Amino acid sequence: SQQGEEDPQALSIQEGENATMNCSYKTSINNLQWYRQNSGRGLVHLILIRSNEREKHSGRLRVTLDTSKKSSSLLITASRAADTASYFCATAARTAGNKLTFGGGTRVLVKP
Amino acid sequence: EAQVTQNPRYLITVTGKKLTVTCSQNMNHEYMSWYRQDPGLGLRQIYYSMNVEVTDKGDVPEGYKVSRKEKRNFPLILESPSPNQTSLYFCASSLLGRGGAGAYGYTFGSGTRLTVV
Repeated sequence: SQQGEEDPQALSIQEGENATMNCSYKTSINNLQWYRQNSGRGLVHLILIRSNEREKHSGRLRVTLDTSKKSSSLLITASRAADTASYFCATAARTAGNKLTFGGGTRVLVKP
Repeated sequence: EAQVTQNPRYLITVTGKKLTVTCSQNMNHEYMSWYRQDPGLGLRQIYYSMNVEVTDKGDVPEGYKVSRKEKRNFPLILESPSPNQTSLYFCASSLLGRGGAGAYGYTFGSGTRLTVV
């Protein structure tokens, strides 16, 4: 079962623009993580935000978490063609023994 | 280099012919897990292991077996593969934090694309 649901499912932007994607989830979480997957390759861990944090930055990435709305957003600033990938949120839910459950992903295309 | 190594990367096999996909990690992680990824269904967990000799079913365990005899290795066994097991498979590992396996990020292997005909 999918705990996190990403929105939009697909996103197409020009190089240099910002990309924003959202993740909603259903149950209480200990943390939420974002991963990137290049076509057919393994997932790469990008950033982890804990339930008591509201915002986190890593390079050009900014993640927010709103536990009252059970939602998170990932912002990629000044996008590059190399950012073209699928992005997944994953939640570590207290009720599931902290097991990570992945959403369906957002496909991002950055056009040069 | 810290990594999770899966083999093979690609495999085409026939229905019913037993196969094993190997997974090895060099980070001394306690937790290891197998996922399958299918279009429209996302990543679904098959089996996981919290430590040596400790394995448990994930969300879609039917038709699969695993073993964890050593900390670094976590092979996935398909004893009688069927076409509905055609998929992209990923092995992942993680440290076990106080909050469990999801307390830190996972490290994923590069994937095994399996086709069962």
